[in-house]
Amino acid sequence: GAGVSQTPSNKVTEKGKYVELRCDPISGHTALYWYRQSLGQGPEFLIYFQGTGAADDSGLPNDRFFAVRPEGSVSTLKIQRTERGDSAVYLCASSLRVAGGPTDTQYFGPGTRLTVL
Amino acid sequence: AQTVTQSQPEMSVQEAETVTLSCTYDTSESDYYLFWYKQPPSRQMILVIRQEAYKQQNATENRFSVNFQKAAKSFSLKISDSQLGDAAMYFCAYRSAGTGNQFYFGTGTSLTVIP
Repeated sequence: GAGVSQTPSNKVTEKGKYVELRCDPISGHTALYWYRQSLGQGPEFLIYFQGTGAADDSGLPNDRFFAVRPEGSVSTLKIQRTERGDSAVYLCASSLRVAGGPTDTQYFGPGTRLTVL
Repeated sequence: AQTVTQSQPEMSVQEAETVTLSCTYDTSESDYYLFWYKQPPSRQMILVIRQEAYKQQNATENRFSVNFQKAAKSFSLKISDSQLGDAAMYFCAYRSAGTGNQFYFGTGTSLTVIP
């Protein structure tokens, strides 16, 4: 597609459940990023991929959070044993390459709003 | 870690007037990038303007321009001839030019445009 897409747009789940959030980057973009945006805050970095590998996962808050990008395109953010504090908008972004010059501009998707009851 | 501060939670401007949004940042690096992103209610972050720290000239994109003061670590956004469609949350962001490609975002400024 023309832009970054994320599904679902909204997800409501119960405390303790498992959820998966999907991101489809712009075609040809090698770098993919996940951010979490809590209410009234700016996005906070979670993880980024260069190709299929996680180049930096230092932003993942704990081991309940995991992300994969098996074929270097679509990525899935997985959250186990969800907690109410996980409620936020999860944003995905992609860029043509990781760093250097105008090709590293990150383009964001519309996000998935996760609500944990 | 780098920090980005936006001290104006809310701003308003009359249509066709000019408004300036403030941003300061803290870093020990000499080479980095600064960005302003716009986030309308649709949640999609849209790049407004970008500045490379090694460039002395302030970036300009149509009605949007920045005042980049490297020594003061200040990066303000000026919106000229404000339009109703400019109403949104505006986030200032920092990214290192070296290793580590993550953005550091401020807490945002909510801009209201008054008809």
